[in-house]
Amino acid sequence: EDKVVQSPLSLVVHEGDTVTLNCSYEVTNFRSLLWYKQEKKAPTFLFMLTSSGIEKKSGRLSSILDKKELFSILNITATQTGDSAIYLCAVSGGGADGLTFGKGTHLIIQP
Amino acid sequence: DAGVIQSPRHEVTEMGQEVTLRCKPISGHNSLFWYRQTMMRGLELLIYFNNNVPIDDSGMPEDRFSAKMPNASFSTLKIQPSEPRDSAVYFCASSRRDTGYTFGSGTRLTVV
Repeated sequence: EDKVVQSPLSLVVHEGDTVTLNCSYEVTNFRSLLWYKQEKKAPTFLFMLTSSGIEKKSGRLSSILDKKELFSILNITATQTGDSAIYLCAVSGGGADGLTFGKGTHLIIQP
Repeated sequence: DAGVIQSPRHEVTEMGQEVTLRCKPISGHNSLFWYRQTMMRGLELLIYFNNNVPIDDSGMPEDRFSAKMPNASFSTLKIQPSEPRDSAVYFCASSRRDTGYTFGSGTRLTVV
């Protein structure tokens, strides 16, 4: 059975800090790993990672995948209160198109 | 593009009633997914369709749950009869092959 484990479960930091969110996975026939940000409503897409060692960046957010060690990290630098959200990691693989999600990291940025 | 559209946004119903959740995927997306999100279990895949055909319904919790996709622009998830433990946020998502998924805003279901 595919499995995605995220850590920490929750994190409270001050505005301006840098945070690193972790995602480890077990999946047969891995295809991709995706990061989502969920505020009050639907998860919104951040990154899709398919290759090891290639960093994807979007503003203050960046992410990288290690397919040998089966994990990914999501970095957020110079955090802002608007970064407060649940960050979800998901993997696709196993011959199916659906995603397996982790439970998420609840990030709170305090002013 | 209006994105993935779900209705209703919120529903409160009594135990035993039938509930129907609706989803309109993004035009041109050939895969549609139904997910359920709870605090305890996070986001779980219930069922997905490729080209309107159900591919994997192993996540559907019980026979009380059923899903249909009569055409490329519409899908329903039905719970009959509903129970309090079905209370959750139900998300619909759509995608094209090798592109990211787009989620709808979800339906928050409360069964009392």
